[in-house]
Amino acid sequence: ETGVTQSPTHLIKTRGQQVTLRCSSQSGHNTVSWYQQALGQGPQFIFQYYREEENGRGNFPPRFSGLQFPNYSSELNVNALELDDSALYLCASSPIVGTPGKYTQYFGPGTRLTVL
Amino acid sequence: TQLLEQSPQFLSIQEGENLTVYCNSSSVFSSLQWYRQEPGEGPVLLVTVVTGGEVKKLKRLTFQFGDARKDSSLHITAAQPGDTGLYLCAGAFGQNFVFGPGTRLSVLP
Repeated sequence: ETGVTQSPTHLIKTRGQQVTLRCSSQSGHNTVSWYQQALGQGPQFIFQYYREEENGRGNFPPRFSGLQFPNYSSELNVNALELDDSALYLCASSPIVGTPGKYTQYFGPGTRLTVL
Repeated sequence: TQLLEQSPQFLSIQEGENLTVYCNSSSVFSSLQWYRQEPGEGPVLLVTVVTGGEVKKLKRLTFQFGDARKDSSLHITAAQPGDTGLYLCAGAFGQNFVFGPGTRLSVLP
C-alpha cells in the first residue's frame, strides 16, 4: 500500500509568482485535504476535495485554489504569492468523507514553500 | 472562531521522567485527535477520543477527553528519546479539523 506522497519537497518562489503543489493520495482514499503549517504553529485547514469537488474551505483567500483528479490525486494552486505564504503545505487523504474524527487522515511529508 | 490552546509550548525532560501536556478550548468538539509530528514529516495520528470522560491508553501514552468535550490531556510515562517531537491536538468541528499550535517535546538521554 502506497502512502501519501507530495511534490516537490522544497520550493522557492518570489512575491507575485504562482505555485502548484501536488499530492497523490493513499491507495483507496477518495478524499484529500490541504493544510498550511507556518513555522511554530499547527496546521491550518485550507480546503478539502471529495470526488473532484470542493467539500469545505477554511479561512483562506480565493487565490488559494485546488483540483482533484479522477484518480483522487490533487493539486493546490496559490496565485500572487505573498511573503506570509511561506510555510509547510500538508496534504492528507482519508478513505471516506463525512464527520471528521470518524475516520483517520493520513498526512504526506509536506512541501516546504519559501517566498522571497 | 474555534481556538485550541496547548500547554506547555515547549518541554524538555530527562529520559525516564513522566509528563503531561494539555489541550484546551472554549468550544465543544465532536471528537478530538492527538498527533505526533517529527521534523520533515507530516503529523501521524496517535489516537481519537469521542466520548466525554473517555480514557485511552497506547503503551506508555494515556489520553483523556474532558467530560465536557472541551479539553484533553496526554500523559507519557517513563519518556524515551524516541518520544521527542511536536504533539498536536486537533478538534473536529463541522467538516473541519482545527489544530492547536502544538507542544514541542524534547526527551534527553
